Amino acid sequence: GAVVSQHPSRVICKSGTSVKIECRSLDFQATTMFWYRQFPKQSLMLMATSNEGSKATYEQGVEKDKFLINHASLTLSTLTVTSAHPEDSSFYICSAPVRGVLQETQYFGPGTRLLVL
Amino acid sequence: GENVEQHPSTLSVQEGDSAVIKCTYSDSASNYFPWYKQELGKRPQLIIDIRSNVGEKKDQRIAVTLNKTAKHFSLHITETQPEDSAVYFCAASKNYGQNFVFGPGTRLSVLP
Repeated sequence: GAVVSQHPSRVICKSGTSVKIECRSLDFQATTMFWYRQFPKQSLMLMATSNEGSKATYEQGVEKDKFLINHASLTLSTLTVTSAHPEDSSFYICSAPVRGVLQETQYFGPGTRLLVL
Repeated sequence: GENVEQHPSTLSVQEGDSAVIKCTYSDSASNYFPWYKQELGKRPQLIIDIRSNVGEKKDQRIAVTLNKTAKHFSLHITETQPEDSAVYFCAASKNYGQNFVFGPGTRLSVLP
């Protein structure tokens, strides 16, 4: 199946710093990628849809100036958490769709665990 | 918008028994329903999916059933094994894979 990588796998930072997370599709091109946030023992919540060559689409309640998304190429999307605070600590997962004959299948990255002190 | 509910939130079964997880969805336009398994600290992995024009799909010990009229779909795992222990998420999607909405998850524990 398709492979999606994410880097870094975990990061610890001080409050007020910015953190960049990369999501790459390794063996396919993705014009669209999705960013999710997952708090402990909770479901995946879609934050935004990353579109190659255009602005990201943010879900209601997600601050676009706080979570900057850049889809620089057909294989790379980045999520930057600006001025991170402890409440931003979470598991961030990206996914990229692979279009098949009958439907699109989402492939998830391994996730990035962010801890803001 | 779409709302997906999932029950139970936790499920414990003895090894070898069957496990059933049920999801309901609200948007009758949803037409694609995948199930993901997520082990602790790892990425969700697609284990089975079903399209709205199919009532049932099976893959070895795993099966999914869909009732479009009632707007619910279920995951069935037979002959459970300890390695089946994980959190399972259902999802509903329109446009056959776009605009996913996930259920809250079910933590399955298979006791040896």
